Amino acid sequence: GDSVTQMEGPVTLSEEAFLTINCTYTATGYPSLFWYVQYPGEGLQLLLKATKADDKGSNKGFEATYRKETTSFHLEKGSVQVSDSAVYFCALDSGNTGKLIFGQGTTLQVKP
Amino acid sequence: GAVVSQHPSWVICKSGTSVKIECRSLDFQATTMFWYRQFPKQSLMLMATSNEGSKATYEQGVEKDKFLINHASLTLSTLTVTSAHPEDSSFYICSARAPSHYNEQFFGPGTRLTVL
Repeated sequence: GDSVTQMEGPVTLSEEAFLTINCTYTATGYPSLFWYVQYPGEGLQLLLKATKADDKGSNKGFEATYRKETTSFHLEKGSVQVSDSAVYFCALDSGNTGKLIFGQGTTLQVKP
Repeated sequence: GAVVSQHPSWVICKSGTSVKIECRSLDFQATTMFWYRQFPKQSLMLMATSNEGSKATYEQGVEKDKFLINHASLTLSTLTVTSAHPEDSSFYICSARAPSHYNEQFFGPGTRLTVL
């Protein structure tokens, strides 16, 4: 079945460091891919998404490119801030049904 | 923006009792809502899909008689954990699909259930 694998955390970075959180997926067909962020005490929020191969999703300085050949959707940000500290989830929707399959989540902690 | 609320945010109950969790879309109509379960330090697992006016669709391995879902209106879905046991203790999260927002899903803040 479909699945999503994220790099294990926690990831601890200093402010202004470069961030990469790896995400790979297994799916039949051509899924839509998402990154969600969960700040402490809040619900998940959509960070960015891509619906087809080679699409790049971007928001708030974060980017991720849908790579069909490597079945990956790695999240990157050039310069992280303390306020980016949160849990990040990679997810896919393989049939545009709204049924999301999530990775295990990666905790990011950014220190001043 | 589109806001989804859950009530209660946390609940503690005795083993054998039933607990109802509400999920509301506050400023949009949601024909489809989803219920997820999240164990500590683990991912969200989809439990069921709730469609307004029809029976919920449960994922494999989820007991429909234990986790009763009702989607009585376009803004409210409820999850009732019947005869709760300690192993049902978890974080329950709902989401609502918003046709008015390009079918994006909006998540509630979650409900922490602890069964003693």
